[in-house]
Amino acid sequence: EIVLTQSPGTLSLSPGERATLSCRASQSVTSNYLAWYQQKPGQAPRLLIYGASSRATGIPDRFSGSGSGTDFTLTISRLEPEDFAVYYCQQSGGSFKWSFGQGTKVEIK
Amino acid sequence: QVQLVQSGAEVEKPGASVKVSCKASGHTFIGYYMDWVRQAPGQGLEWMGRINPNTGGTNYAQKFQGRVTMTSDRSISTVYMELSRLRSDDTAVYYCARSITNYADYWGQGTLVTVSS
Repeated sequence: EIVLTQSPGTLSLSPGERATLSCRASQSVTSNYLAWYQQKPGQAPRLLIYGASSRATGIPDRFSGSGSGTDFTLTISRLEPEDFAVYYCQQSGGSFKWSFGQGTKVEIK
Repeated sequence: QVQLVQSGAEVEKPGASVKVSCKASGHTFIGYYMDWVRQAPGQGLEWMGRINPNTGGTNYAQKFQGRVTMTSDRSISTVYMELSRLRSDDTAVYYCARSITNYADYWGQGTLVTVSS
């Protein structure tokens, strides 16, 4: 099973600042089967990025994903008030079994 | 628009089983997989498995093998997730999510399952 480790655990930033979230895999993620989700309290997760760098429908272009192999990054170029949330990376590995990172909380500084 | 509507909250005793439903609308039911993900209180996301609503084929996480059963009823565009031999650490919000195997693009609203004696 591929283990995903996200860092930092919490990111304290102000609106307008840039957020950089990391997701590291214990082994190479096949064909960039790496996605990012945003989750706000009391809500279901929302897909942001799939295939490591493709934005999902309706996702603003301030969200971008990059990386390959074992190291992936989610960048929020300028934080808006509605972006303060928890972010999870997810990979689809052998036999398309998924695993999630433990999450990064982006909080208002 | 695509909607996944799940059944309501459940309270079960340890050792019992729970069955959660997820009704899909707004898309071709048999054209997508349906995954189940759970989230314990204050914790992260945990993948449980997937069903192909067309064939009934399933792919379960090793952790839940033998305790989880996912089924589908194409006639009413609904998938089900049944978890047996419940324990207190099965208390969680259970989500269904539409997927194409690699990621989930639509999620249900979640169903809280509480296991308590």
